[in-house]
Amino acid sequence: DGGITQSPKYLFRKEGQNVTLSCEQNLNHDAMYWYRQDPGQGLRLIYYSQIVNDFQKGDIAEGYSVSREKKESFPLTVTSAQKNPTAFYLCASSITRTVGGYTFGSGTRLTVV
Amino acid sequence: AQSVTQPDIHITVSEGASLELRCNYSYGATPYLFWYVQSPGQGLQLLLKYFSGDTLVQGIKGFEAEFKRSQSSFNLRKPSVHWSDAAEYFCAVGGGNTGTASKLTFGTGTRLQVTL
Repeated sequence: DGGITQSPKYLFRKEGQNVTLSCEQNLNHDAMYWYRQDPGQGLRLIYYSQIVNDFQKGDIAEGYSVSREKKESFPLTVTSAQKNPTAFYLCASSITRTVGGYTFGSGTRLTVV
Repeated sequence: AQSVTQPDIHITVSEGASLELRCNYSYGATPYLFWYVQSPGQGLQLLLKYFSGDTLVQGIKGFEAEFKRSQSSFNLRKPSVHWSDAAEYFCAVGGGNTGTASKLTFGTGTRLQVTL
């Protein structure tokens, strides 16, 4: 079955370390997105990509980086510059030619220890 | 800029009772509207969506929503709530430009608790 896979489900990081969250989709979707979710704040867009080798900053891109070397993959790196990285991270994908809504992964919970 | 307001942070209903979750949006053109549901520690699942046409849209799990342009609202309803409906619900609005990424803006969510 087609879908989006995020790994790992839980991740612990020491302060000052970079960490990379994986997101893979086999839906043949063109666009992919990363959202951060904090209690009471809904989902906030970090980065998005419409096509391979291209991506744009969202509303809260500072302290994060992404790459889009393959259509299926859109990894997110949380750098040491991110001041408050503990959160639930959600990856999503969509078709760009129609507004059909997103398909979401099951998320990665990152905790800084 | 587009925005979504979900005025109710937390709602409690009895099993079998009717449900209405409120959503108000701000968007400069014809909006594309969505409702998603999220179980704890999981991703979001699409319940229903509105693009155009009939303003009453049917979704999965017995949910429906009504688009009211004059009130900038897209409220989610269910006639009879089941205990399994307890979750967090998100309303989202997006643009209708084809050929570009359909960035969605999400509300802050409404947590639904169902009492037996």
